[in-house]
Amino acid sequence: NAGVTQTPKFRVLKTGQSMTLLCAQDMNHEYMYWYRQDPGMGLRLIHYSVGEGTTAKGEVPDGYNVSRLKKQNFLLGLESAAPSQTSVYFCASTDSVDSYEQYFGPGTRLTVT
Amino acid sequence: KQEVTQIPAALSVPEGENLVLNCSFTDSAIYNLQWFRQDPGKGLTSLLLIQSSQREQTSGRLNASLDKSSGRSTLYIAASQPGDSATYLCAEGGFQKLVFGTGTRLLVSP
Repeated sequence: NAGVTQTPKFRVLKTGQSMTLLCAQDMNHEYMYWYRQDPGMGLRLIHYSVGEGTTAKGEVPDGYNVSRLKKQNFLLGLESAAPSQTSVYFCASTDSVDSYEQYFGPGTRLTVT
Repeated sequence: KQEVTQIPAALSVPEGENLVLNCSFTDSAIYNLQWFRQDPGKGLTSLLLIQSSQREQTSGRLNASLDKSSGRSTLYIAASQPGDSATYLCAEGGFQKLVFGTGTRLLVSP
């Protein structure tokens, strides 16, 4: 099992450009999450999904959109990137049966200039 | 608003020392408490998860405890090694979200 994978690993954008981050998991997990990690702020939840076709807002959703068209994939979109969105983005997933232990991907380092 | 606090922010110890990392949380209805390790530039690796009905969990040299009444969890690392150097994060929550602390950066010197 690859676990949770993220594409791309690094990206540099200019202000106003758009991009999509892809998260994929092969553990048949129902729940998936997008977090951002910033120095001194810890990890903060952007959006999450409790199943295929569902999405919900987290703590810091502004400027981001998400889609969960397939159970194994969770996409995070930036429609018009801003320097404040420079961060490391982590995807995570968990099952809905037992402990809700979250498994994380390796992260995407995004710089917006 | 749920908050998670980790003190100290950084800790430096010599190899072989036993150490305790602290995590405090405000959510009295905690579902679980998860400890992670993060190496520089890397993702998060889950170390231990304690469900609200449990008091502690152990894995090798690691032992995590949970005291819901006081809103505290501790991660005990026995016989620390240089390879234990990393940032340790705790997070409380359940299926809807995890709320993270800002971590304790641990340096174990040979």
